[in-house]
Amino acid sequence: RKEVEQDPGPFNVPEGATVAFNCTYSNSASQSFFWYRQDCRKEPKLLMSVYSSGNEDGRFTAQLNRASQYISLLIRDSKLSDSATYLCVAFGGTSYGKLTFGQGTILTVHP
Amino acid sequence: DTGVSQDPRHKITKRGQNVTFRCDPISEHNRLYWYRQTLGQGPEFLTYFQNEAQLEKSRLLSDRFSAERPKGSFSTLEIQRTEQGDSAMYLCASSLGTGESYEQYFGPGTRLTVT
Repeated sequence: RKEVEQDPGPFNVPEGATVAFNCTYSNSASQSFFWYRQDCRKEPKLLMSVYSSGNEDGRFTAQLNRASQYISLLIRDSKLSDSATYLCVAFGGTSYGKLTFGQGTILTVHP
Repeated sequence: DTGVSQDPRHKITKRGQNVTFRCDPISEHNRLYWYRQTLGQGPEFLTYFQNEAQLEKSRLLSDRFSAERPKGSFSTLEIQRTEQGDSAMYLCASSLGTGESYEQYFGPGTRLTVT
């Protein structure tokens, strides 16, 4: 079983839709979580950090449920520019250096 | 631009050759990380440094791979006797690594193709 698991999608949604991505992690000692966004053939870019139960930044909301070892990312009012791969990431536990990435969820927002 | 930089951006090499990649982190960051990413997968951790000390290496880092950060600033990743399975994007990241600020910022990557 992978340490961080995501539904790979792809998710195809119209502009203006609300879309949610789910992620589970297996290492209960993980301390921090992140969502990164990655455009095709580009580097991952940090989208949100989740240190406690959740975080909100504009149209983006991340929630963390430590009891269920589950993280989610909600995108409201989707834009064409939101089309990308969204990577769920866990940090800490057995290592205080590495990030452990899920395989990513592909989102395509269409007109 | 004060972000993480990597050089070269692309490298094509023949199987059996040695290659070396360079990473320059964000200047005030004391931690530097190397990851490898193949198509359709998330990045996989290879190794990381705090200043010049290499603190952790993944089992993915075979004895053909070596990384250095001699003065605690830039880092190099060398792959000896490249194999076709080494073809991937090699990503470097850096972070402050203090307190709760473990957020890592990635460079543009070096795309390696082994023919």
